[in-house]
Amino acid sequence: QSALTQPASVSGSPGQSITISCTGTNSDVGGYDYVSWYQQYPGKAPKLVISEVSNRPSGVSNRFSGSKSGNTASLTISGLQAEDEADYYCCSYTSRRTYVFGTGTKVTVL
Amino acid sequence: EVQLLESGGGLVQPGGSLRLSCAASGSTFSSSAMSWVRQAPGTGLEWVSAISDNGGSTYYTDSVKGRFTIFRDNSKNTLYLQMNSLRAEDTAVYYCAKGIFAEGAAYWGQGTLVTVSS
Repeated sequence: QSALTQPASVSGSPGQSITISCTGTNSDVGGYDYVSWYQQYPGKAPKLVISEVSNRPSGVSNRFSGSKSGNTASLTISGLQAEDEADYYCCSYTSRRTYVFGTGTKVTVL
Repeated sequence: EVQLLESGGGLVQPGGSLRLSCAASGSTFSSSAMSWVRQAPGTGLEWVSAISDNGGSTYYTDSVKGRFTIFRDNSKNTLYLQMNSLRAEDTAVYYCAKGIFAEGAAYWGQGTLVTVSS
């Protein structure tokens, strides 16, 4: 199972919006509404920021939003803040009853 | 509040074995699916294995099938990962996560480092 494809890095200035893409296949992202997104700071455990494509868990800022079109899911961070600088990973359920993560995206706040 | 605490990591030679544990606090462990996720140094996350709430169903990524076994003891609120025939490429921080992974894993442990080296 190949990892989902994400851009290696995305950057933006404070207050701007950025979007991270996550591209898979019909057997994962495109086949199920089970795409989640995780934020990870260096040396820390991942934190769930979006579940099931577009659901935001309690306590997660409403600046985080998710969507999906075909085989590509997206995470948008609006009103970018310094604290958003971290690594972000998408994850999808697959037709083999397993899960696959994305390659990861480093977000830099300029 | 849910807390997950992994243990059992360490240095092991190639071909060796190790058993990881994940102790969960709270009363919902026995009704929750659980997963193991790993992260090799400087790389991304990789889902490794999952188990249903009653332990009756287990799932593995291809690279660990036949070598790793996930199981749980609901009476002890503990999840395990038995790792045999370890390889250098199994070197990683191993995290346990609570919940049905498809719905998003909201609770994670702090991770335990496994190093496979001679």
